[in-house]
Amino acid sequence: DVKVTQSSRYLVKRTGEKVFLECVQDMDHENMFWYRQDPGLGLRLIYFSYDVKMKEKGDIPEGYSVSREKKERFSLILESASTNQTSMYLCASSFRGQGDTFGSGTRLTVV
Amino acid sequence: GEDVEQSLFLSVREGDSSVINCTYTDSSSTYLYWYKQEPGAGLQLLTYIFSNMDMKQDQRLTVLLNKKDKHLSLRIADTQTGDSAIYFCAEKGNTGKLIFGQGTTLQVKP
Repeated sequence: DVKVTQSSRYLVKRTGEKVFLECVQDMDHENMFWYRQDPGLGLRLIYFSYDVKMKEKGDIPEGYSVSREKKERFSLILESASTNQTSMYLCASSFRGQGDTFGSGTRLTVV
Repeated sequence: GEDVEQSLFLSVREGDSSVINCTYTDSSSTYLYWYKQEPGAGLQLLTYIFSNMDMKQDQRLTVLLNKKDKHLSLRIADTQTGDSAIYFCAEKGNTGKLIFGQGTTLQVKP
């Protein structure tokens, strides 16, 4: 089974902190994605990557950056956390043309 | 632009069939997906259908695709309390990105 592992289930950070959310997949997938999920807004794509060192902006990239130095790892970075970034963050990966496999999610609270 | 619409809530009795509907706008979609999300968890891929198919059946799940009307449905036969979850419809076009609906909360009453 494909496994997508997000490093933390729950995180609490202070406003202004730099936050790293890590995601690792074990099936050599080319594509990796970061979403955030908020009540009433569904899932929104933040950033995605089709290959190592490649990144593309999704629908809501403001306030975020990403890093993909190795194929299996895709990191989401909040440069200076703000309270409006309190959310559930979901990482996913896939082969091109196939369904995305999701991690369990990281619930981030910024206080 | 690309858009996927779903009704927000469906309530059924245990043992009945559930039908969750979805409409999409991108006619270039190559794959359409159904995901399930249980409380506090990530999304689990339930099933998918290629755009040149009309129907796909997988145990209790039946997916129907009307490409002309851009309408997708998921039927769950003999719905159980364990099927209570949020169900997301999603399309994937040539960009490789998934576009999700808002999700339909399925409530199964005993």
